[in-house]
Amino acid sequence: AQSVAQPEDQVNVAEGNPLTVKCTYSVSGNPYLFWYVQYPNRGLQFLLKYITGDNLVKGSYGFEAEFNKSQTSFHLKKPSALVSDSALYFCAVRGLNAGNMLTFGGGTRLMVKP
Amino acid sequence: EAQVTQNPRYLITVTGKKLTVTCSQNMNHEYMSWYRQDPGLGLRQIYYSMNVEVTDKGDVPEGYKVSRKEKRNFPLILESPSPNQTSLYFCASIPSFAGTGGYEQFFGPGTRLTVL
Repeated sequence: AQSVAQPEDQVNVAEGNPLTVKCTYSVSGNPYLFWYVQYPNRGLQFLLKYITGDNLVKGSYGFEAEFNKSQTSFHLKKPSALVSDSALYFCAVRGLNAGNMLTFGGGTRLMVKP
Repeated sequence: EAQVTQNPRYLITVTGKKLTVTCSQNMNHEYMSWYRQDPGLGLRQIYYSMNVEVTDKGDVPEGYKVSRKEKRNFPLILESPSPNQTSLYFCASIPSFAGTGGYEQFFGPGTRLTVL
C-alpha cells in the first residue's frame, strides 16, 4: 500500500527566509508526486508535480520541490517566504495501483510571520 | 470558466436524515472522485468513478453511496448520516486516468457537513 508522511504538523518561518515543508513517501514502482495548497475556506490548489525527468521541479508562486529517490522524499521549498504563503500544504503520491488515485499526507500548516 | 462545483457548501443535519451533496464539472473529465478531509488525516478517498456508470470504493466508503449517470455529475449520498461523518468533503476530477497518470486534480470548493 502506498503512503505519505508529512512529519511536521506546523512549520514557522519569518518572512524573507527560506522555507522547507517535508514529505516522504512509500509506493511500489516509480511514483507520481504532487504538492497542493489549501487556503482558508478554499479547495485544494495544485502547486507542482514530479512525473519523470529532472529531480528539481518548479511550480506556482515560486515554489519548487526536489525528488530524492534514495531517500523517498519530495520536500517543498521556497527561497524567500511571503506572509501570503501561510496555508495548509499537502503532499500526495500515486503509484501504479490504478484503483487508488492519490494518497495524501496529513498536511503541514505553514505560518509565515512578518 | 473551468471548474468543479459543489452544493451545498455548508450543511448541518441530524442523524439518520438522508442527504445528497452534488458535484459537477464542466471540463468533460472522465475521472471524478470524492474525498473527506479530517484534521491530521489529510484527504481520504471515499469513492471514485473512472467514467459514466463506472464507480468503485476508495479507502473509506462505509456509509456513503455515489452514482455517475452523466459524465459531468457525481453526487455523494449519505443514506443515514451519523456524527462520525461530520467532515469537510471535496469532489475532484481529472481528464482521464489513462495515459501517464500524472494529471493533477481539479478540486471543488468543499462542503462542510455537520451531523448532530
